[in-house]
Amino acid sequence: EVQLAESGGGLVQPGGSLRLSCAGSGFTVNSNYMSWVRQAPGKGLESVSVIFSGGSTDYADSVKGRFTISRDNSRNTLYLQMNSLRAEDTAVYYCASSGSGPFDYWGQGTLVTVSS
Amino acid sequence: DIQMTQSPSSLSASVGDRVTITCRASQDIDNYLAWFQQKPGKAPKSLIYAASSLQSGVPSKFSGSGSGTDFTLTISILQPEDFATYYCLQYKTPPFTFGPGTKVDIK
Repeated sequence: EVQLAESGGGLVQPGGSLRLSCAGSGFTVNSNYMSWVRQAPGKGLESVSVIFSGGSTDYADSVKGRFTISRDNSRNTLYLQMNSLRAEDTAVYYCASSGSGPFDYWGQGTLVTVSS
Repeated sequence: DIQMTQSPSSLSASVGDRVTITCRASQDIDNYLAWFQQKPGKAPKSLIYAASSLQSGVPSKFSGSGSGTDFTLTISILQPEDFATYYCLQYKTPPFTFGPGTKVDIK
């Protein structure tokens, strides 16, 4: 059974950094493409970043140059390094993995709050 | 980036109703369209991929259609557990983009 578990969220000051982790089980993180999707309080879903099985990456314009997606195959873990955080980055961050479709499997989410 | 729109933004319906939600892409995305259901405080759940393919375990009351720029999600007989927010997603071209969502609530 495919499972995803995010960690690393919390309260951070504007301009600060945070690294989110997403541990995978039941599959290998480099066999699918994997993404980070966020949801600000009371808002819709935003696809933040994706890493493809070949290693190429892509980012939403709102985070380009500030966020970096990566994976560690030996740990079967996906990461999101978030720098220069802003109040508008406050959201629940989900990791998601492709299967037959683009976001077949989801973690439970981790809350990131950017506030002074 | 490809922009996605959905209509309506919300709707009120009764148990047993047939519900249709529309999603439109700002450019041709072939059939690279997925639908998700989200309930409050929960992660989204994949319902449909490739515009019309039902995810494993998803009941057949859900169906999707369309290609190119115009797509629909239909719930044939609305049940109490179907009251939720529904999102479409294009995955033809990164960055992948979601529609703004359609909230289905009880009339």
